[in-house]
Order: sequence, then structure tokens, then C-alpha cells
Amino acid sequence: DADVTQTPRNRITKTGKRIMLECSQTKGHDRMYWYRQDPGLGLRLIYYSFDVKDINKGEISDGYSVSRQAQAKFSLSLESAIPNQTALYFCATSDFEQASNQPQHFGDGTRLSIL
Amino acid sequence: AQSVSQHNHHVILSEAASLELGCNYSYGGTVNLFWYVQYPGQHLQLLLKYFSGDPLVKGIKGFEAEFIKSKFSFNLRKPSVQWSDTAEYFCAVKGNNRLAFGKGNQVVVIP
Repeated sequence: DADVTQTPRNRITKTGKRIMLECSQTKGHDRMYWYRQDPGLGLRLIYYSFDVKDINKGEISDGYSVSRQAQAKFSLSLESAIPNQTALYFCATSDFEQASNQPQHFGDGTRLSIL
Repeated sequence: AQSVSQHNHHVILSEAASLELGCNYSYGGTVNLFWYVQYPGQHLQLLLKYFSGDPLVKGIKGFEAEFIKSKFSFNLRKPSVQWSDTAEYFCAVKGNNRLAFGKGNQVVVIP
């Protein structure tokens, strides 16, 4: 079983719809992240959470919201989807990092297309 | 905030050729450095990381990277690539608890 699970894996929807992407992890990590990946732009951080009740904006948070329902779950919502939010979305986790050298572990991604 | 630059977004080379991907970053404080690989249709996987000690880091699958502090660089190398190394490679820099990614290098290895 995957350590970081994203659902759905693929989603096609229409402009204006509300969408929720789910992420759950079995690694027991404190920290969770949402990124979007666009061709030629790499990964950009949307939101991150260092613990339950801790939510922080990343570099491109406009148009998105998140919820950290439990240590193992971190969901990303698009309240009113628009076509330029079409992208590949990745959830990632990392452990509490005293030395700040811990890598992030990624899910398999959710390919989202907004028409 | 830190930023990461990767050059030559598309690289095409033949099997057995040597590969070097450049990564430069800008951040004034202590950094930790990573290279991730994304094979077609898959998620990102860690290739190697540097946080202290020997600036020449060995990773999986024959990859290595050298941290040169004076040049703010962390270039990735592999002496002899294989077709299975076809992937996208991302350099990432962590500073101040934030991880910043470069735009990636799309590497295609021709058999």
C-alpha cells in the first residue's frame, strides 16, 4: 500500500464547480503539503500544515483552501474552479525535522482538468 | 525566500553518455539540498540529499551531486546514463522550513 494516497487520481470538471482533493498518509508524519505541477514551472507550494490546526499559505494559495482534519489527512479545495487551475496536484509529507534535512514523500498525484 | 534555477530544461542524450544538470540557488542562510526524479507518470522520488559533511553526495542509481557553497550550486551528475534514466529531474532547496523547487530538467535518453 502507498504511504501517501491521493484521491481521486484523475478528475475532469467544469468551471465554477467546487472540488475537493483528498490526501491521507500512513507514515505518521506531522507535516503535510499541497503542490501543483505545471509543465515548465516545476512544483509550486499551495498550502502546508505542520500539525493539526496549523495551516500556512504557500506561494500560490489564491483560489484554494485546505483542511487538516487529522494528522493523517489533508484535503485541498477549489471553491470555484477555473481553467487555469488545470494541473497535476501532489500531496507530500515530511517528519518533524530537527535538522531540517528530511525529504518530502510524495503521493502519486491528482490530474485535474477544468473545462 | 529561497529560489532555485535549473538550466537547459530539455536534455536529449544517448545511452552511455555522461549527464550533468545544473542547479543554482539563492538563499542567505543554511540550506539543505535535494534532487528528486519523476519517471513518466509517477510521483517524485528522492535521488539524493545534502545537509552537511562531504559536499560530494552519492545517491541511488549511480547519481551523485556536488555542493559548492561559493557558487551556490548543487549540480547533479551521472557518468553513464541508461534509457531508464529518462525522467524529469528537480532540484530543491530547503531553507527556513520551506522547500523550493526548480522548474525541472526533462531528460530523454535515446537507446
